Amino acid sequence: DVKVTQSSRYLVKRTGEKVFLECVQDMDHENMFWYRQDPGLGLRLIYFSYDVKMKEKGDIPEGYSVSREKKERFSLILESASTNQTSMYLCASTGTSATNEKLFFGSGTQLSVL
Amino acid sequence: GESVGLHLPTLSVQEGDNSIINCAYSNSASDYFIWYKQESGKGPQFIIDIRSNMDKRQGQRVTVLLNKTVKHLSLQIAATQPGDSAVYFCGGMYSGGGADGLTFGKGTHLIIQP
Repeated sequence: DVKVTQSSRYLVKRTGEKVFLECVQDMDHENMFWYRQDPGLGLRLIYFSYDVKMKEKGDIPEGYSVSREKKERFSLILESASTNQTSMYLCASTGTSATNEKLFFGSGTQLSVL
Repeated sequence: GESVGLHLPTLSVQEGDNSIINCAYSNSASDYFIWYKQESGKGPQFIIDIRSNMDKRQGQRVTVLLNKTVKHLSLQIAATQPGDSAVYFCGGMYSGGGADGLTFGKGTHLIIQP
C-alpha cells in the first residue's frame, strides 16, 4: 500500500514563526501536492510538484512556499505564520501511470497559529 | 474550470439502511470522478472512482452512479454500519490534465443512527 507520511499530526506555532511541514511518500511517486482543508471550504490546492526541483502554484499559494529536493519528500513552508493559516494541511501523491488521477493522502497536520 | 458540489452537508441514516450521497459537477469536459472517505482526525481515504465511459461501478458495499446528462454522481453505501460514519467528498477532473486539476466538493457528513 502507498504510504504518505506527514511528520506531525498536531502543531502549535506563534504568529511570525517560520513553519516547516514535511511529507514523505514511499511509492516512488513523481507527483506530490499540498492542500489545506477548512470547514465549509473543502480542500484547496496550495502547491504541487511533478518532478524533483519543480514546483507549481495551486489555487492559494500566497503566504506559502515549497521545496522538493528529493523525489520522496515535499515540504511546505510558511515563511511567517499568521493566524489565518490555522488549518488542516494534507499532503498527497500520485504516480504517472494511467491511473495517475488517484490521490493518496497523508493523515494530515492540524496547525494552530496563535 | 471545474466546480464540484455536494448536495447536503449532513446526512443521517439508520444503521442497516442504504445511504446515498449526491454530488454535482459543472464542467462537461470532466471525465474522471472519485470518492473519498475521511474519518475524524484522519486523512482522506480512497473509496471508488469512475471514468465517464461508465455509468456505474461497484465496489465492496459501495456503488458509484454517474449521470453525464445532468452532470450528477452519487455514492451508494449498502447496509450502512457504524464504521461508515465519516465525511464523504467527491472530486472531478478532466483526465487530460494533471491531478492538480482535481476539484473537490465540500463534503457530506454521514451520521449513523443506532
